[in-house]
Amino acid sequence: GEDVEQSLFLSVREGDSSVINCTYTDSSSTYLYWYKQEPGAGLQLLTYIFSNMDMKQDQRLTVLLNKKDKHLSLRIADTQTGDSAIYFCAVPSGAGSYQLTFGKGTKLSVIP
Amino acid sequence: ETGVTQTPRHLVMGMTNKKSLKCEQHLGHNAMYWYKQSAKKPLELMFVYNFKEQTENNSVPSRFSPECPNSSHLFLHLHTLQPEDSALYLCASSQDLTERNQPQHFGDGTRLSIL
Repeated sequence: GEDVEQSLFLSVREGDSSVINCTYTDSSSTYLYWYKQEPGAGLQLLTYIFSNMDMKQDQRLTVLLNKKDKHLSLRIADTQTGDSAIYFCAVPSGAGSYQLTFGKGTKLSVIP
Repeated sequence: ETGVTQTPRHLVMGMTNKKSLKCEQHLGHNAMYWYKQSAKKPLELMFVYNFKEQTENNSVPSRFSPECPNSSHLFLHLHTLQPEDSALYLCASSQDLTERNQPQHFGDGTRLSIL
């Protein structure tokens, strides 16, 4: 089955850029997603990228996809304290699958 | 506001109690999901319903019993739970179960504590 790996923690200073990385194993993935979870809340869809794209930009968020290396990253420009949360990478669990496999999440801490 | 509402937000119950978790979505979706989120573990898919029909049961113990009376509502009935069942239970919905872009939209979860 699909395996999704993320580093567990990331700490950045307010105003700096944050880069959260994710690696996956199934190369047949179509859409790949980033979710954000704030304390006491559920998962909020942040952005997604289709596997035929290399990059997608949405305001302060930039998603980069390296299909050859099966590497997905989320860059947050000008990181704010409100960006402190857990970020989850999610990819389809196999070819033609509607199920998503989630990483364990990266906890982003923003230092004022 | 995600369009997916879960109640209650918090639940404390003894191992012999019977309780139910409720999920309601206002997005016009046809697929609904139950997930379990435990500390330091990946999100675990429990059940999936599509057009009210159960399509997945990922080896979930029978003490968890789902019910989907219509495409907008999903329940999780709990009976004789164990301490290791304490977790955040998340409900999600998506348009349906086709391969095209199907982001799942999550509720805020029910924090369940088993005494």
